[in-house]
Amino acid sequence: EAQVTQNPRYLITVTGKKLTVTCSQNMNHEYMSWYRQDPGLGLRQIYYSMNVEVTDKGDVPEGYKVSRKEKRNFPLILESPSPNQTSLYFCASSLTGRDEQYFGPGTRLTVT
Amino acid sequence: KNEVEQSPQNLTAQEGEFITINCSYSVGISALHWLQQHPGGGIVSLFMLSSGKKKHGRLIATINIQEKHSSLHITASHPRDSAVYICAVRRIGGADGLTFGKGTHLIIQP
Repeated sequence: EAQVTQNPRYLITVTGKKLTVTCSQNMNHEYMSWYRQDPGLGLRQIYYSMNVEVTDKGDVPEGYKVSRKEKRNFPLILESPSPNQTSLYFCASSLTGRDEQYFGPGTRLTVT
Repeated sequence: KNEVEQSPQNLTAQEGEFITINCSYSVGISALHWLQQHPGGGIVSLFMLSSGKKKHGRLIATINIQEKHSSLHITASHPRDSAVYICAVRRIGGADGLTFGKGTHLIIQP
């Protein structure tokens, strides 16, 4: 089954404790992206990747890192999480970035 | 002002009614997406448009590039259509990502 998976789905952590949210797709898509969703602000792009070893900032990249060492995986790294990074995070992929996007199920992160 | 504006923000209707959700944008775009987010949180892509009109079942999406406006219509609405509908655009010349509207929260009552 074609899908985008994210782990963990829920995470409660403390300020400053490094964490990684994984994202994997099995559709051989070139393009992958991370978004965060906040009440009243909607979805905003954090980082995206056009292909392996090619990443670029979205609209809200501060406090996040990404890497794309393999085509299927695009982890989101929070080196020193802060409470303002409490949010619902979505990973998405598409074949080229210029077509339909497939979203993962979301990761609800709480930073205390 | 947001680059992508949706209206209405909230809409409650009775089962069977014809529903229209609007999306206006202020930037040049190469494509517009309509997404559906159910209460569980998952997001599903409904349509991607660059011109004209698309139809899938009871859903119809239209776009007018000159007027920078798109509409999503639901015919014969059903309670299972209750969800948040999100408009998103891919900007010309910007980062290769999507800019989103804040969504329209639709409730269809039986």
